[in-house]
Amino acid sequence: EVQLVESGGGLVQPGRSLKLSCAASGFTFSNYYMAWVRQAPKKGLEWVATISTSGSRTYYPDSVKGRFTISRDNAKSSLYLQMNSLKSEDTATYYCARLAGSSDYWGQGVMVTVSS
Amino acid sequence: DIQMTQSPASLSASLGETVTIECRASEDIYNGLAWYQQKPGKSPQLLIYNANSLHTGVPSRFSGSGSGTQYSLKINSLQSEDVASYFCQQYYNYPLTFGSGTKLEIK
Repeated sequence: EVQLVESGGGLVQPGRSLKLSCAASGFTFSNYYMAWVRQAPKKGLEWVATISTSGSRTYYPDSVKGRFTISRDNAKSSLYLQMNSLKSEDTATYYCARLAGSSDYWGQGVMVTVSS
Repeated sequence: DIQMTQSPASLSASLGETVTIECRASEDIYNGLAWYQQKPGKSPQLLIYNANSLHTGVPSRFSGSGSGTQYSLKINSLQSEDVASYFCQQYYNYPLTFGSGTKLEIK
């Protein structure tokens, strides 16, 4: 059974940093692109980052480019999102997702609140 | 960037009815389209990929169709457990983009 479990969320002040983790199991992690998708409270879904199988290629929307960094450790079947210079508009539930073209499996999400 | 315009924003239908949700892309996305269901308080779940392929375990009353810039999700024989928000997403090109969502309620 595919499982994705996010951790590392919480309350953080504007301008500070936070690192999210996603532990994967139930599939060969190194064979799949992975992504982070977020959802602000009562809002729609926004793609945040994608990483290739080896980690050599990463993709970001303009809204987070230069502030967020996606990475992975295939030996640990883990995905990460380093978030720097956080803004109030980054407040959201962050989901880790496996990519097979579409996002075929999602984690339960972790809440990040950016507030002073 | 490819814009995804989803309609309607909300929908109310009776049990057993058939409902259709539409998504229009701002350019041809060559069937690189997925539909997700999100129940209240839960994470999104994949329903349809490649515009018309049913994801594993998804009931056959869900179906997807379309091509080019116009796509739709149809739910036959609406059930109470179908109460949820539905989102389309294009993955033909980066940045990946989602529709704004459709909230489905039972009348």
